[in-house]
Amino acid sequence: EVHLVESGGGLVQPGGSLRLSCAASGFTFSSYSMLWVRQAPGKGLEYVSVISSNGVYTYYANSVKGRFTISRDNSNNTLYLQMGSLRADDTAVYYCARDRRYGEADYWGQGTLVTVSS
Amino acid sequence: DIQMTQSPSTLSASVGDRVTITCRASQSITSLLAWYQQKPGKAPKLLIYKASSLESGVPSRFSGSGSGTEFTLTISSLQPDDFATYYCQHYDAYFYSFGQGTKLEIK
Repeated sequence: EVHLVESGGGLVQPGGSLRLSCAASGFTFSSYSMLWVRQAPGKGLEYVSVISSNGVYTYYANSVKGRFTISRDNSNNTLYLQMGSLRADDTAVYYCARDRRYGEADYWGQGTLVTVSS
Repeated sequence: DIQMTQSPSTLSASVGDRVTITCRASQSITSLLAWYQQKPGKAPKLLIYKASSLESGVPSRFSGSGSGTEFTLTISSLQPDDFATYYCQHYDAYFYSFGQGTKLEIK
């Protein structure tokens, strides 16, 4: 059974940094692109970043470009999101998800809450 | 960037109703469009992919259609479990764009 479990969220001050992790199990992690999607309180879903299966290609939403870095460790089945220069509008639940094949995210983690506040 | 716009933003309906949610793209897109259902405090759940393919395990009362700039999600006969928020999402070359969501409420 596929499982995605995020961790690393919490309260951070504006301008601070945080690293999120997503532990994957139940599938061949190295065969899939993986993405991060966030949801601000009471708001809709927002794409954050994606990484190709081999980690060579990474892409970001304009809202986080230059501040966030996505990476993966295929030997440990883990996805990461390094977040820097955090702002109040980065406050959200961050989900990791698997891109199955045609851009559809077929499995999602439970999410981890990041709160940026002083 | 391609923008995805859903309508309506809120929809009130009753159990047994047939409902349709529309997702419009700011320009013509491929059929790489997905629909998700999300309930409060939960992660989104994939319903439809490639515009009209039903995800395994999803009830057949859900269907998707469309092409070009207009896509629809139809629920043929609403069940109590269907009251939730629905999102469309387009994919193109490592870029994912979500609609703003449609909240389906009980009338």
